[in-house]
Amino acid sequence: DAGITQSPRHKVTETGTPVTLRCHQTENHRYMYWYRQDPGHGLRLIHYSYGVKDTDKGEVSDGYSVSRSKTEDFLLTLESATSSQTSVYFCAIRGAQTGDNSPLHFGNGTRLTVT
Amino acid sequence: EDQVTQSPEALRLQEGESSSLNCSYTVSGLRGLFWYRQDPGKGPEFLFTLYSAGEEKEKERLKATLTKKESFLHITAPKPEDSATYLCAVRGNTGNQFYFGTGTSLTVIP
Repeated sequence: DAGITQSPRHKVTETGTPVTLRCHQTENHRYMYWYRQDPGHGLRLIHYSYGVKDTDKGEVSDGYSVSRSKTEDFLLTLESATSSQTSVYFCAIRGAQTGDNSPLHFGNGTRLTVT
Repeated sequence: EDQVTQSPEALRLQEGESSSLNCSYTVSGLRGLFWYRQDPGKGPEFLFTLYSAGEEKEKERLKATLTKKESFLHITAPKPEDSATYLCAVRGNTGNQFYFGTGTSLTVIP
């Protein structure tokens, strides 16, 4: 494993409630990413971080916010959960290496169900 | 916009029956093409990075190749434990984003 822990692993929540997912890494990597995976769509980027307090939006960022106050933790918040946000959420990390062509390494995901 | 298309969506092979998976891509300046394996209930597991046309990488029964427009993942004499979904991703020159295809679900029948 790449030293990535996602919590919780499973969550069921009601429409309209806020939800926070946590990603914790022990690799001291600079880059952290949040993806969602849905049938027929593959992995789609929500937000990513390129350093503490430095984040940027991905292609499906509406309804999501992120925070990174420490190198090791990257939080994803659904401000007001909707049924369309039912998905499997993956965190990924990437180190900045020579040539900066390093791959992503993934956690084992959080399965979120919004009822 | 950077884009990745994988084919076929699903593939069933008999044990020992070799085949190839395809990943077609469009990207503004390829910084890397990445292959991953994903088992049910798990996150994608990194397999290979390819950087330039003509490059090849091998690991056990898997060999990945790259041209200017596509990549192939060749599976030689597959075993049932090779059953998984195989994902392809690209990263272009425009930033830190990686774009993924929807994957090929491989089933190897004993």
